Amino acid sequence: EVQLVESGGGLVQPGGSLRLSCAVSGFTFNNFAMSWVRQAPEKGLEWVTSITTRGDGTYYAASVKGRFTIFRDNSKDTLFLQMNNVRVEDTAIYYCASHSSGFPFWGQGTLVAVSS
Amino acid sequence: QSALTQPRSVSGSPGQSVTISCTGTSSDVGGYDYVSWYQQYPGKAPKLIIYDVTKRPSGVSDRFSGSKSGNTASLIISGLQADDEAHYYCCSYARSYTYVFGTGTEVSVL
Repeated sequence: EVQLVESGGGLVQPGGSLRLSCAVSGFTFNNFAMSWVRQAPEKGLEWVTSITTRGDGTYYAASVKGRFTIFRDNSKDTLFLQMNNVRVEDTAIYYCASHSSGFPFWGQGTLVAVSS
Repeated sequence: QSALTQPRSVSGSPGQSVTISCTGTSSDVGGYDYVSWYQQYPGKAPKLIIYDVTKRPSGVSDRFSGSKSGNTASLIISGLQADDEAHYYCCSYARSYTYVFGTGTEVSVL
């Protein structure tokens, strides 16, 4: 059974940092590019960032470029999102998703709330 | 990158067909055959139902189909059923390994 389990969300103050994790099982992690997609409360989906299978290519939405960093540990089947200098508008559920033709597998999401 | 434009809501009676449009530009929808569609129930993660414009993942009902013309992609739900009530999002590749989602459409079954 494919499982993606996010963790690390919580309440953080503006300007603070947070690291999200996504533990993967049930498929060959290092065969898939991976992504983070977020959804602000009562809003639509927003692609945030993607990483290649070996981690040698990373791509970001303009809204997070320079503040967020995606990386992966293929030896531990885990994806990460380092969030620095967070803003109130980063408040959202953050989903990790595998990435091939579309985003076929998704986690349940982890909530990040940015507030003072 | 601006979100792709979808109607806020569409509705239909059981058994009818509904079509959800997804309008972008030549830099995303119109430029690549990499449009995907997702179904999302409240409080749940999205589910992939169409990829590469027209393809269905294994296990997805053939009542869902996709197409594209120019800068507009479409999702057609035929034989509408009660459990089709959900939000639907399109997504397109948008050059330089970036992606853009649509604004989302709520489907109601009357």
